[in-house]
Amino acid sequence: QKEVEQNSGPLSVPEGAIASLNCTYSDRVSQSFFWYRQYSGKSPELIMSIYSNGDKEDGRFTAQLNKASQYVSLLIRDSQPSDSATYLCATVGFQKLVFGTGTRLLVSP
Amino acid sequence: EAQVTQNPRYLITVTGKKLTVTCSQNMNHEYMSWYRQDPGLGLRQIYYSMNVEVTDKGDVPEGYKVSRKEKRNFPLILESPSPNQTSLYFCASSPQSGNQPQHFGDGTRLSIL
Repeated sequence: QKEVEQNSGPLSVPEGAIASLNCTYSDRVSQSFFWYRQYSGKSPELIMSIYSNGDKEDGRFTAQLNKASQYVSLLIRDSQPSDSATYLCATVGFQKLVFGTGTRLLVSP
Repeated sequence: EAQVTQNPRYLITVTGKKLTVTCSQNMNHEYMSWYRQDPGLGLRQIYYSMNVEVTDKGDVPEGYKVSRKEKRNFPLILESPSPNQTSLYFCASSPQSGNQPQHFGDGTRLSIL
């Protein structure tokens, strides 16, 4: 069974700072990774996908993948209070996504 | 607008009373799946479907049934609900398989008393 581990947080950062969210996974053959954002009581929303080692940038978001160390991270630059949410890391399993339990991010004004 | 629609959004019911949560997607996706989300346990897959009339168990299928008679619809059936099925449920879909990013519905919060 593939596992994805995340620190539950909360991770507190001031507005304008960089938020760094981390995720480790146990299955070395995992190829695809996703970051979902979930506001309280709402559905998960895909914000980033990453498939190869290195960095992938999209606006204020940067996903980083290091397969040798089996970790994935998400950087949020210029954090805004509206970024306050739970961030879920996921990889693919057999015909499903395997999710971590999420890291709660709090961005204070 | 591309979307996955679940109904009802909220339901409070009693043990043993059969219920169905509907899920419909308008993206012509082949793959659909049901997850439940519980505090500390994250999202866990209940059942999935690769296409019409093709369904299979996920990690926590006990107490649930599904059907896929049409491509767009994937209802979740609780024949005899119990309190341990109180949870937040999400339906999701993706174009072809469970190995792709999935698009989630808005969720259904079920309380079984």
